[in-house]
Amino acid sequence: DVKVTQSSRYLVKRTGEKVFLECVQDMDHENMFWYRQDPGLGLRLIYFSYDVKMKEKGDIPEGYSVSREKKERFSLILESASTNQTSMYLCASSRMSLAGKNYEQYFGPGTRLTVT
Amino acid sequence: DQQVKQNSPSLSVQEGRISILNCDYTNSMFDYFLWYKKYPAEGPTFLISISSIKDKNEDGRFTVFLNKSAKHLSLHIVPSQPGDSAVYFCAASADTGGFKTIFGAGTRLFVKA
Repeated sequence: DVKVTQSSRYLVKRTGEKVFLECVQDMDHENMFWYRQDPGLGLRLIYFSYDVKMKEKGDIPEGYSVSREKKERFSLILESASTNQTSMYLCASSRMSLAGKNYEQYFGPGTRLTVT
Repeated sequence: DQQVKQNSPSLSVQEGRISILNCDYTNSMFDYFLWYKKYPAEGPTFLISISSIKDKNEDGRFTVFLNKSAKHLSLHIVPSQPGDSAVYFCAASADTGGFKTIFGAGTRLFVKA
């Protein structure tokens, strides 16, 4: 059974703290993604990675960074947490896309981050 | 600017009836479309997809229809069951060699027993 796990389900941090969100997948997928989900806005892509040590900015990368040192692990870092980063964070992975087909993404359960 | 729009935030349907969830997109380069389902406290799970070379794809109770000229797709669930109550996300991507998928805001479906 395929699996994407996230290090925490709930997290409460203070403004200005550095926050690490970890994601691990066991499907040997090349692609990994970080999204945030906010009411009325759906899922918005923060960063993605298509290979180890490779990263690409998504639609809302400001205030975030990522790290992919191993194929199975993709970390999201909030350098200095702010209250507007309070959100649900979702990690996903997928196989490498081929011409004409974009493989579905497998999501973790999410991390509900509250920044006070 | 939302490239993928789900204009109905919620939909309520009686058990056994058809549920129709709608999605509109603006980018004519999108050529692959997916629907995901999300239960509370869980991540989204893939439901069904369709390539732009087709206008219909069916998987059991779920059928996705694509109207490229109208830039519109819909998900039909027949018959609807209480376990289908969830948030449904429409998603679209373009075969540009990249991996970016754009998601809609989601529609919450309530299936009443």
